[in-house]
Amino acid sequence: KNEVEQSPQNLTAQEGEFITINCSYSVGISALHWLQQHPGGGIVSLFMLSSGKKKHGRLIATINIQEKHSSLHITASHPRDSAVYICAVDGGATNKLIFGTGTLLAVQP
Amino acid sequence: EAEVAQSPRYKITEKSQAVAFWCDPISGHATLYWYRQILGQGPELLVQFQDESVVDDSQLPKDRFSAERLKGVDSTLKIQPAELGDSAMYLCASSLDFVRVNTGELFFGEGSRLTVL
Repeated sequence: KNEVEQSPQNLTAQEGEFITINCSYSVGISALHWLQQHPGGGIVSLFMLSSGKKKHGRLIATINIQEKHSSLHITASHPRDSAVYICAVDGGATNKLIFGTGTLLAVQP
Repeated sequence: EAEVAQSPRYKITEKSQAVAFWCDPISGHATLYWYRQILGQGPELLVQFQDESVVDDSQLPKDRFSAERLKGVDSTLKIQPAELGDSAMYLCASSLDFVRVNTGELFFGEGSRLTVL
């Protein structure tokens, strides 16, 4: 079993829909990262969080440390949101990021 | 805006040849990472530097891969000889520092896509 699991693996949505991507992890962490990767492109850091909730524009990230779970929400989704969204955790004891396999999001107009 | 620079963006080579990738992190970032990402998978850490010192290279195939960051600024990742299975995106990332309690935000470069024929 992977230490970081994301769901769903693939997601297709209609423009304007509210989207949720989930991340569960099994190790102790000091921080969790949400990253965005467009096809063929580099990776952009969206959020780094260790507790609670963060918001940036239409993106919201939450984390529940007790349940070892985080969610990334996209409100009023747009085709330009189409990308792979990757959850990565910093296992504090090792200071090494452990990546999920990503969620491929396609937002259709 | 400061960014992590990588080159080349694309590299096609034949197996058994040598390849090298270069990364220039954001100025002042002490921590530098090299990741390999195979299509359809998440990134895999190859090596992590803190300044010029290697912090973690446990996943680096040392028989063919080498990495250095001699002056603690830019870094080079080399593969010799390249194998078919090395075809992947090689990503460089940097962060201000890594501290056991509070990991810094990561900034990624655009990546170097390697195709080995």
